[in-house]
Amino acid sequence: DAMVIQNPRYQVTQFGKPVTLSCSQTLNHNVMYWYQQKSSQAPKLLFHYYDKDFNNEADTPDNFQSRRPNTSFCFLDIRSPGLGDAAMYLCATSRVAGVNSPLHFGNGTRLTVT
Amino acid sequence: AQKITQTQPGMFVQEKEAVTLDCTYDTSDPSYGLFWYKQPSSGEMIFLIYQGSYDQQNATEGRYSLNFQKARKSANLVISASQLGDSAMYFCAMRADQFYFGTGTSLTVIP
Repeated sequence: DAMVIQNPRYQVTQFGKPVTLSCSQTLNHNVMYWYQQKSSQAPKLLFHYYDKDFNNEADTPDNFQSRRPNTSFCFLDIRSPGLGDAAMYLCATSRVAGVNSPLHFGNGTRLTVT
Repeated sequence: AQKITQTQPGMFVQEKEAVTLDCTYDTSDPSYGLFWYKQPSSGEMIFLIYQGSYDQQNATEGRYSLNFQKARKSANLVISASQLGDSAMYFCAMRADQFYFGTGTSLTVIP
């Protein structure tokens, strides 16, 4: 089945230690997104790629970076995680950016910062 | 301003009963999409149903239907014949220039 896969499912990192979360998709969608979701809150968009074009949200901290080496893969790098970065990180794709195009989410990576 | 509002933080429903989850939205864009997502405790966001702003008929997907009232700017989700597996967080979302999510409604199905 075509899908969005996130690895790892759970990630524990130490305060200040860089961490990378990965996302892959077999849907061949043009757009890939990274969302941060804290407990009992709505997902918050960090950035997205339309093909190779990177779009950063204005309030996304510089501590968060992303890479999309090809259509299938997208990575989220947190350069120096703080305790406040503990959250669920959701990768999503959409075929295009049109209003009728749903987001397809992966299972998420739950990040713990110790 | 683009906005999605879900006013019910938590809802309870008896198994096999129907339940309506409320969602209102605000946008000045003539073209937009409305979506509902289910998020179980395991964390994945599952796409349930879509309604386009120009669609004349309410969307249905199995036990899910979307009660779209454009003049009132509401897009309520109706779940018929609730099952225990329906217990989850439900997010309403709107897509115009970007995706906007509501704050979610936690649904608990009681046996």
